[in-house]
Amino acid sequence: QVRLVQSGPEVKKPGASVSVSCKASGYTLTTYDLSWVRQAPGQGLEWMGWIRPYNGNTNYAQKFQGRVTMTTDTSTNTAYMELRSLRSDDTAMYYCATYSSSYGWYDPWGQGTLVTVSS
Amino acid sequence: DIQMTQSPSSVSASVGDRVTITCRASQGISNWLVWYQQKPGKAPKLLIYTASTLQSGVPSRFSGSGSGTDFTLTISSLQPEDSATYYCQQADSFPITFGQGTRLEIK
Repeated sequence: QVRLVQSGPEVKKPGASVSVSCKASGYTLTTYDLSWVRQAPGQGLEWMGWIRPYNGNTNYAQKFQGRVTMTTDTSTNTAYMELRSLRSDDTAMYYCATYSSSYGWYDPWGQGTLVTVSS
Repeated sequence: DIQMTQSPSSVSASVGDRVTITCRASQGISNWLVWYQQKPGKAPKLLIYTASTLQSGVPSRFSGSGSGTDFTLTISSLQPEDSATYYCQQADSFPITFGQGTRLEIK
């Protein structure tokens, strides 16, 4: 069974950095592409970027360029998303999701990691 | 970036009703269109991909159609468990973009 399990909730102060992990089980991470999508409270889905674990290629949304880094550790079958210079409007649920480049869908999704940015 | 616009933003319907949600892309995306269902506190769930292909395990009352810029998600006979927010997503090109969501409420 293909599954993504994310790390636990985080509370950070403005200006800090956060790293969220996403561990894949039931498949090898390098088999599929992966993205990070966030959702602010009561809001819609916002694409942050994409990584191809096979070769480490990335594509980040312009909004997050320079503040986000997506990486993978193939030895532990885990993906990571680091977001720096946090602001209060970065408070959101962050999801990782497996991306099918053949069909364009995201499935499965991780359970989500709530990141709260507050002074 | 390709903008995705859903309508309506919210809809209220009764059990057994037929419900249609539309999604319009700001430029042609062929059939690179995906639909998700999201319930409160849960991650989105894949319903339909390539505009009209039903994901395995999704009830057949859900269907999708469209190509180019205009797409629809139809629920043929609404069930109580269909209360959720529905999102469309274009997969034609990066950056991937989502519609703003349609909240479906059961009367």
